[in-house]
Amino acid sequence: AQSVTQLDSQVPVFEEAPVELRCNYSSSVSVYLFWYVQYPNQGLQLLLKYLSGSTLVKSINGFEAEFNKSQTSFHLRKPSVHISDTAEYFCAVSALSGGSYIPTFGRGTSLIVHP
Amino acid sequence: KAGVTQTPRYLIKTRGQQVTLSCSPISGHRSVSWYQQTPGQGLQFLFEYFSETQRNKGNFPGRFSGRQFSNSRSEMNVSTLELGDSALYLCASSLDLAAQETQYFGPGTRLLVL
Repeated sequence: AQSVTQLDSQVPVFEEAPVELRCNYSSSVSVYLFWYVQYPNQGLQLLLKYLSGSTLVKSINGFEAEFNKSQTSFHLRKPSVHISDTAEYFCAVSALSGGSYIPTFGRGTSLIVHP
Repeated sequence: KAGVTQTPRYLIKTRGQQVTLSCSPISGHRSVSWYQQTPGQGLQFLFEYFSETQRNKGNFPGRFSGRQFSNSRSEMNVSTLELGDSALYLCASSLDLAAQETQYFGPGTRLLVL
Protein backbone atom coordinates (compact mmCIF):
# COMPACT_ATOMS: atom_id res chain seq x y z
CA ALA A 1 0.00 0.00 0.00
CA GLN A 2 1.08 3.48 -0.74
CA SER A 3 2.21 5.73 2.10
CA VAL A 4 3.03 9.41 2.46
CA THR A 5 5.31 10.56 5.23
CA GLN A 6 5.48 14.13 6.43
CA LEU A 7 8.50 13.96 8.63
CA ASP A 8 7.67 16.93 10.86
CA SER A 9 4.36 17.23 12.66
CA GLN A 10 5.14 20.80 13.66
CA VAL A 11 7.55 23.40 12.28
CA PRO A 12 7.99 26.63 14.24
CA VAL A 13 9.74 29.43 12.39
CA PHE A 14 10.23 33.17 12.71
CA GLU A 15 8.66 35.59 10.25
CA GLU A 16 10.79 36.26 7.14
CA ALA A 17 12.84 33.11 7.72
CA PRO A 18 12.97 30.34 5.08
CA VAL A 19 11.07 27.11 5.65
CA GLU A 20 11.01 23.60 4.22
CA LEU A 21 8.21 21.11 4.88
CA ARG A 22 9.28 17.60 3.99
CA CYS A 23 7.22 14.96 2.21
CA ASN A 24 8.28 11.48 1.12
CA TYR A 25 6.15 8.85 -0.52
CA SER A 26 6.55 5.14 -1.02
CA SER A 27 5.09 4.47 -4.47
CA SER A 28 7.47 4.06 -7.36
CA VAL A 29 4.86 3.94 -10.11
CA SER A 30 3.32 6.87 -11.92
CA VAL A 31 2.30 9.47 -9.36
CA TYR A 32 0.69 12.85 -9.15
CA LEU A 33 1.73 15.02 -6.22
CA PHE A 34 -0.12 17.74 -4.35
CA TRP A 35 0.28 20.11 -1.45
CA TYR A 36 -2.88 21.32 0.27
CA VAL A 37 -3.15 24.00 2.97
CA GLN A 38 -5.73 24.28 5.71
CA TYR A 39 -5.97 27.65 7.45
CA PRO A 40 -7.56 27.75 10.93
CA ASN A 41 -11.28 27.04 10.77
CA GLN A 42 -11.24 26.61 7.01
CA GLY A 43 -11.34 23.68 4.59
CA LEU A 44 -8.39 22.30 2.66
CA GLN A 45 -7.37 24.18 -0.47
CA LEU A 46 -4.84 23.32 -3.13
CA LEU A 47 -1.49 25.06 -2.85
CA LEU A 48 0.31 23.49 -5.82
CA LYS A 49 0.55 20.24 -7.76
CA TYR A 50 2.93 18.26 -9.94
CA LEU A 51 1.47 16.24 -12.80
CA SER A 52 4.32 16.09 -15.34
CA GLY A 53 6.98 18.22 -16.98
CA SER A 54 9.16 20.58 -14.97
CA THR A 55 9.96 19.08 -11.59
CA LEU A 56 9.77 22.49 -9.90
CA VAL A 57 6.25 23.82 -9.36
CA LYS A 58 5.28 27.12 -7.82
CA SER A 59 2.24 28.64 -6.14
CA ILE A 60 1.02 32.20 -6.45
CA ASN A 61 1.93 33.05 -2.85
CA GLY A 62 5.62 32.21 -3.01
CA PHE A 63 5.69 28.52 -2.14
CA GLU A 64 7.45 26.02 -4.40
CA ALA A 65 7.97 22.27 -4.39
CA GLU A 66 10.34 20.03 -6.27
CA PHE A 67 9.55 16.53 -7.42
CA ASN A 68 12.53 14.25 -6.86
CA LYS A 69 11.81 10.85 -8.36
CA SER A 70 15.00 9.17 -7.18
CA GLN A 71 14.39 10.20 -3.59
CA THR A 72 10.58 9.87 -3.86
CA SER A 73 10.20 13.30 -2.28
CA PHE A 74 8.12 16.40 -2.86
CA HIS A 75 9.36 18.93 -0.32
CA LEU A 76 7.64 22.31 0.03
CA ARG A 77 9.72 25.44 0.46
CA LYS A 78 9.30 29.16 0.90
CA PRO A 79 12.26 31.56 1.09
CA SER A 80 10.55 34.01 3.45
CA VAL A 81 7.42 33.20 5.45
CA HIS A 82 4.71 35.54 6.73
CA ILE A 83 2.53 35.34 9.81
CA SER A 84 -0.37 34.59 7.48
CA ASP A 85 1.32 31.35 6.37
CA THR A 86 0.50 29.81 9.73
CA ALA A 87 -1.61 26.78 8.81
CA GLU A 88 -1.67 23.01 8.46
CA TYR A 89 -0.02 21.69 5.30
CA PHE A 90 -0.88 18.33 3.77
CA CYS A 91 1.13 16.45 1.17
CA ALA A 92 -0.92 14.11 -1.04
CA VAL A 93 -0.03 11.51 -3.66
CA SER A 94 -2.28 9.94 -6.28
CA ALA A 95 -0.76 6.68 -7.42
CA LEU A 96 -1.96 3.94 -9.72
CA SER A 97 -3.31 0.98 -7.75
CA GLY A 98 -5.32 -1.81 -9.33
CA GLY A 99 -6.12 0.27 -12.37
CA SER A 100 -7.28 3.33 -10.45
CA TYR A 101 -5.60 6.34 -8.93
CA ILE A 102 -6.00 6.30 -5.17
CA PRO A 103 -5.17 9.49 -3.25
CA THR A 104 -3.15 9.17 -0.06
CA PHE A 105 -2.57 12.07 2.30
CA GLY A 106 0.20 12.64 4.78
CA ARG A 107 -0.61 13.33 8.44
CA GLY A 108 0.00 17.04 8.00
CA THR A 109 2.61 19.53 9.17
CA SER A 110 1.61 22.44 11.33
CA LEU A 111 3.58 25.53 10.29
CA ILE A 112 3.70 28.08 13.07
CA VAL A 113 5.15 31.47 12.14
CA HIS A 114 6.25 33.64 15.05
CA PRO A 115 6.69 37.44 14.83
CA LYS B 1 -19.55 30.26 -7.68
CA ALA B 2 -20.72 28.62 -4.47
CA GLY B 3 -18.24 26.25 -2.85
CA VAL B 4 -18.72 22.69 -1.74
CA THR B 5 -21.41 22.43 0.89
CA GLN B 6 -21.91 19.66 3.39
CA THR B 7 -24.85 18.98 5.64
CA PRO B 8 -25.24 18.61 8.48
CA ARG B 9 -22.16 20.28 9.95
CA TYR B 10 -22.41 18.41 13.25
CA LEU B 11 -23.98 15.12 14.26
CA ILE B 12 -24.21 13.11 17.44
CA LYS B 13 -25.24 9.47 17.17
CA THR B 14 -25.06 6.39 19.35
CA ARG B 15 -23.41 3.08 18.61
CA GLY B 16 -25.41 0.86 16.30
CA GLN B 17 -27.27 3.69 14.61
CA GLN B 18 -26.79 4.67 11.01
CA VAL B 19 -26.07 8.08 9.55
CA THR B 20 -26.35 9.78 6.16
CA LEU B 21 -24.17 12.74 5.21
CA SER B 22 -24.79 14.96 2.23
CA CYS B 23 -22.46 16.82 -0.12
CA SER B 24 -23.27 19.32 -2.84
CA PRO B 25 -20.34 19.85 -5.21
CA ILE B 26 -19.38 23.01 -7.02
CA SER B 27 -21.63 23.58 -10.01
CA GLY B 28 -20.24 21.77 -13.04
CA HIS B 29 -18.05 19.40 -11.06
CA ARG B 30 -18.72 15.76 -11.84
CA SER B 31 -16.51 14.01 -9.32
CA VAL B 32 -17.14 13.79 -5.60
CA SER B 33 -14.70 12.17 -3.18
CA TRP B 34 -15.18 11.43 0.50
CA TYR B 35 -12.53 11.37 3.20
CA GLN B 36 -12.40 10.57 6.90
CA GLN B 37 -10.14 12.75 9.04
CA THR B 38 -9.15 11.70 12.56
CA PRO B 39 -6.30 12.80 14.84
CA GLY B 40 -4.94 9.26 14.91
CA GLN B 41 -5.12 8.29 11.23
CA GLY B 42 -5.09 11.65 9.48
CA LEU B 43 -6.97 12.07 6.21
CA GLN B 44 -8.07 8.77 4.68
CA PHE B 45 -9.75 8.26 1.32
CA LEU B 46 -13.16 6.58 1.45
CA PHE B 47 -14.43 6.59 -2.13
CA GLU B 48 -14.90 8.63 -5.27
CA TYR B 49 -18.02 8.95 -7.39
CA PHE B 50 -18.11 10.13 -10.97
CA SER B 51 -21.17 10.20 -13.19
CA GLU B 52 -23.20 8.33 -10.55
CA THR B 53 -20.69 5.45 -10.45
CA GLN B 54 -18.20 4.59 -7.75
CA ARG B 55 -14.82 4.80 -9.46
CA ASN B 56 -12.38 4.32 -6.60
CA LYS B 57 -12.63 2.91 -3.13
CA GLY B 58 -10.36 3.15 -0.12
CA ASN B 59 -9.75 0.51 2.50
CA PHE B 60 -12.90 0.85 4.61
CA PRO B 61 -15.44 -1.80 5.64
CA GLY B 62 -18.70 -2.28 3.79
CA ARG B 63 -20.55 -0.33 6.50
CA PHE B 64 -19.37 2.75 4.62
CA SER B 65 -21.26 3.32 1.40
CA GLY B 66 -22.20 6.14 -0.84
CA ARG B 67 -24.04 7.20 -3.93
CA GLN B 68 -24.16 10.03 -6.40
CA PHE B 69 -27.20 11.51 -8.01
CA SER B 70 -27.66 12.78 -11.56
CA ASN B 71 -27.05 16.37 -10.39
CA SER B 72 -23.67 15.22 -8.96
CA ARG B 73 -24.82 15.64 -5.36
CA SER B 74 -23.55 12.80 -3.22
CA GLU B 75 -24.52 11.09 -0.01
CA MET B 76 -22.46 8.93 2.27
CA ASN B 77 -23.96 6.38 4.62
CA VAL B 78 -22.43 4.67 7.61
CA SER B 79 -24.40 1.80 9.10
CA THR B 80 -24.01 0.16 12.51
CA LEU B 81 -21.95 3.03 13.88
CA GLU B 82 -18.94 2.27 16.06
CA LEU B 83 -17.14 4.58 18.49
CA GLY B 84 -14.19 4.65 16.11
CA ASP B 85 -16.32 6.22 13.40
CA SER B 86 -16.16 9.52 15.27
CA ALA B 87 -14.38 11.81 12.85
CA LEU B 88 -14.56 14.76 10.53
CA TYR B 89 -15.95 13.61 7.19
CA LEU B 90 -14.81 15.72 4.28
CA CYS B 91 -16.25 15.87 0.82
CA ALA B 92 -14.28 17.18 -2.14
CA SER B 93 -15.39 17.88 -5.68
CA SER B 94 -13.43 18.20 -8.91
CA LEU B 95 -14.24 18.82 -12.54
CA ASP B 96 -13.15 15.37 -13.63
CA LEU B 97 -11.78 12.25 -11.95
CA ALA B 98 -9.71 13.41 -9.01
CA ALA B 99 -6.40 11.78 -9.96
CA GLN B 100 -4.97 14.86 -11.67
CA GLU B 101 -7.58 17.42 -10.84
CA THR B 102 -7.65 20.05 -8.15
CA GLN B 103 -10.03 18.97 -5.44
CA TYR B 104 -12.18 21.57 -3.67
CA PHE B 105 -13.01 20.59 -0.14
CA GLY B 106 -16.10 21.34 1.87
CA PRO B 107 -16.03 22.35 5.55
CA GLY B 108 -16.82 18.82 6.69
CA THR B 109 -19.37 17.08 8.87
CA ARG B 110 -18.17 16.37 12.38
CA LEU B 111 -19.65 13.08 13.61
CA LEU B 112 -19.53 12.06 17.24
CA VAL B 113 -20.54 8.51 18.12
CA LEU B 114 -21.40 7.89 21.76
